[in-house]
Amino acid sequence: SQQGEEDPQALSIQEGENATMNCSYKTSINNLQWYRQNSGRGLVHLILIRSNEREKHSGRLRVTLDTSKKSSSLLITASRAADTASYFCATDAGKLVFGKGTKLTVNP
Amino acid sequence: GAGVSQSPRYKVAKRGQDVALRCDPISGHVSLFWYQQALGQGPEFLTYFQNEAQLDKSGLPSDRFFAERPEGSVSTLKIQRTQQEDSAVYLCASSFLAGIFYNEQFFGPGTRLTVL
Repeated sequence: SQQGEEDPQALSIQEGENATMNCSYKTSINNLQWYRQNSGRGLVHLILIRSNEREKHSGRLRVTLDTSKKSSSLLITASRAADTASYFCATDAGKLVFGKGTKLTVNP
Repeated sequence: GAGVSQSPRYKVAKRGQDVALRCDPISGHVSLFWYQQALGQGPEFLTYFQNEAQLDKSGLPSDRFFAERPEGSVSTLKIQRTQQEDSAVYLCASSFLAGIFYNEQFFGPGTRLTVL
C-alpha cells in the first residue's frame, strides 16, 4: 500500500519556469524524502526533511513540510530540460513508503 | 564500482519458472532494501536487511518470494513459480548506516522482470 500521494500526477512546463509538486500522507512520520526517477539514472535521492523541520533548501530545490496537514511540497526553481523525470515523495515511519509520483516534463 | 549494481537488468520468465535477482550494494553499506515497482506506480517495500539479518520481510507479497544476504554483502531475491502479477521492476537499495531513519538510500538500476 502506498501512503504518499503526489499531486499533480503530471505537470508540463517551459524551461525557466518553476515547478511545484505536492505530497500528502496519512500517518505520523519520522522524516519525508523526495526522490527523482528517470530512465537514464534510476531512482536518486534529492532531499530529506525531518519531522521537526518546516523548510529545507538544496540548490534549486525547496521542500516544505507541514506535519499538522500531513503534507509536503517540492519546488524546483528555474527548471531545465534535464529536470524532466518522475518525482516521488517517500515517508519514513519505520520503512520507506513511496507515493505514485508526479511526472514532470520541462519543455526546452 | 561506486554504485549499487543489479543483475540481470532484464529477465523474461515463463509462468511457473523460478527466478533469482542479484544485488551488489555499495561496499561497506550495512543496510539493504528490496522494492517492487509496478508500471506507473511508486516503489513498494519488500524487505530489509541489516548486515546478514533480515529484520523486516513484511512487504513480501507471498511465500513464493524469498530474499537472502548470507554474508552481509550481496543479496539475492528469489521468486518461485512466477506468476504474471510478479511482472515489475525490482529495485535494490543500500544505505551506510543501520536502520532507516534519517538515511539516504542509494538505488540500483533495477531488474525488469516480465512473466509470460
